[in-house]
Amino acid sequence: QQQVKQSPQSLIVQKGGIPIINCAYENTAFDYFPWYQQFPGKGPALLIAIRPDVSEKKEGRFTISFNKSAKQFSLHIMDSQPGDSATYFCAASGGTSGTYKYIFGTGTRLKVLA
Amino acid sequence: GAGVSQSPSNKVTEKGKDVELRCDPISGHTALYWYRQRLGQGLEFLIYFQGNSAPDKSGLPSDRFSAERTGESVSTLTIQRTQQEDSAVYLCASRRLSYNEQFFGPGTRLTVL
Repeated sequence: QQQVKQSPQSLIVQKGGIPIINCAYENTAFDYFPWYQQFPGKGPALLIAIRPDVSEKKEGRFTISFNKSAKQFSLHIMDSQPGDSATYFCAASGGTSGTYKYIFGTGTRLKVLA
Repeated sequence: GAGVSQSPSNKVTEKGKDVELRCDPISGHTALYWYRQRLGQGLEFLIYFQGNSAPDKSGLPSDRFSAERTGESVSTLTIQRTQQEDSAVYLCASRRLSYNEQFFGPGTRLTVL
């Protein structure tokens, strides 16, 4: 029940394409869903995050779509660029423990071709 | 301002040796996490510190792993009698009280020969 399942494992798109990365969770107590971007040799950095009271959130070219009833959320990257080539992790946290402990997905390695 | 820093950036050790990894969180961040990231894998939670509360050690894989944090400052992760399967990047993250976002350091790449 604590897992976050992420797919696909890897993704290759042409420049300008719209890669979509999907995540699914089971624990309905989760109330915060961030996406992190990680470049090789660097630590992950927060890209965008959403709470379950909204169905969509946009920040620049990045959009999270959230489906509470299906317990799924996804990341869309509009007009993708070679500089977006990185590994993307979804995560979930929340509940009443107050630890804000993240459960991470297994990551998606994205390559955007020039 | 300064981000989360970790040292060393790389550590190569022989099987059976002990290693200590250091994390300096962002000033004012009361929460601190350690994660392990094996090659090509996701982030695996190890341990969580919040202020003076007892740490959440539920992710530590064995009793060879331990961590300390003094107050709201530096933390050290110690791995005793290292094994080859301990080879990974060890990431530290810190967070402000009552905020969700975790800020990650660059990690320490540990290689056990």
